[in-house]
Parts: sequence; structure tokens; C-alpha cells
Amino acid sequence: KAGVTQTPRYLIKTRGQQVTLSCSPISGHRSVSWYQQTPGQGLQFLFEYFSETQRNKGNFPGRFSGRQFSNSRSEMNVSTLELGDSALYLCASSLSGVPYGYTFGSGTRLTVV
Amino acid sequence: AQTVTQSQPEMSVQEAETVTLSCTYDTSENNYYLFWYKQPPSRQMILVIRQEAYKQQNATENRFSVNFQKAAKSFSLKISDSQLGDTAMYFCAFIKASGAGSYQLTFGKGTKLSVIP
Repeated sequence: KAGVTQTPRYLIKTRGQQVTLSCSPISGHRSVSWYQQTPGQGLQFLFEYFSETQRNKGNFPGRFSGRQFSNSRSEMNVSTLELGDSALYLCASSLSGVPYGYTFGSGTRLTVV
Repeated sequence: AQTVTQSQPEMSVQEAETVTLSCTYDTSENNYYLFWYKQPPSRQMILVIRQEAYKQQNATENRFSVNFQKAAKSFSLKISDSQLGDTAMYFCAFIKASGAGSYQLTFGKGTKLSVIP
């Protein structure tokens, strides 16, 4: 079965712009989580969605937002991009968010110039 | 809040040898899960092994095993018969089993493992 698909794989944006990243979970998985990975801060939790509802949110500014659609696909949006937003953004899906079944995608590498 | 500490930023091991990666964590929770994830250059985080805190028996998955010491809050990963394909970043991660915040993984900073031919 297909894994977690993240698009695009690479993205270059200019400071001040906004960006939307997409994540398609494994078929049947209803929970989607997003993580930001940087060399300095490591892996940090952004938010988690289950059945179109945000269940948990990490400590990120309001410029970071997300949503989940009825088919469980999820998008995250970053507005007014800053240089510090350059990172690898990883998406993970699971059946219900039960902690034993997270499958990650290969991430979107965002570079802000 | 939970914290996860990996004290070894980099390690190397000869092919076919055994290596142990360390991880300690801090939590006031009693029910939780611990994981080791592998991230090769392809960037995808791959689950290596999982341990439920309520289980005293250490988890094993083929060449990978853990030493889980709940009282000491220690969760080390042992890789036996190391292979070139084991070269990757390894992350230790924690998640609460229930309640608020139970849907987010807390990761350590990672250990870069190089397997030398």
C-alpha cells in the first residue's frame, strides 16, 4: 500500500511570501501530524489533526496553520515567511493517533531566501 | 513537559560489530511509549523499534534491541551485526499514552551513526 506522500519535495520561497505544503496519509489513516526539523532545534511538533479537527498544537506562532480535509489529506500553511522557517517539514499519519503506529513521509524541504 | 536526551551526537562502528546508542528521558507520566526512529539520507523517518512503558520485557526487532530501564528513565538501542545500510541519524522519541498532549512525539537531538566497511 502507498506510504505517506508529501508534496512538493523541495520548495524555495522569498521572505514575506506564504507557502502551502501538502500531505496525503496512508489510506485509512485518520490522524495526521506535522513536524519541523532544523539543525538547531531538531524535530519539533507543529500540530495534529484527526477527522478534520486539530487535537493538539505545538509552540509555534500563528503564522503556522493547518487543516485536514474529509479524505484525511492535510495541508499546512506558513504565512509571512521568515528566514528561520527554512526547514524540513515532516508529516506523519496513523490510524487514530494511537502512539504505536506513526508512519512518516519523506518531507518537504523549504528554503526561504 | 517531557524531555529526551541523546548524549552521543556521533558514533561509528565497524561492519558486523555491535553498537549501543544511548537515550534518557524525563517525564512524570507513568504510561507512555518510547521509540527509536532511523532517518537515512532519503529523509524519511523509519520506525526501528517501539517499547510500551508498562511492559517490563525489552523489545527486540531482528538485529535491533533495547535496554529499557524505567526507574532510571533510560532507553538504549543496541544494533547487532551492523550493516552499511544502518548508516543514518537515529532519534529517540517519547509519547504519552493518553491525556492532553498524547498525540505528539518528543524527539531527542539524534545520533549520527556511521557504519565503516
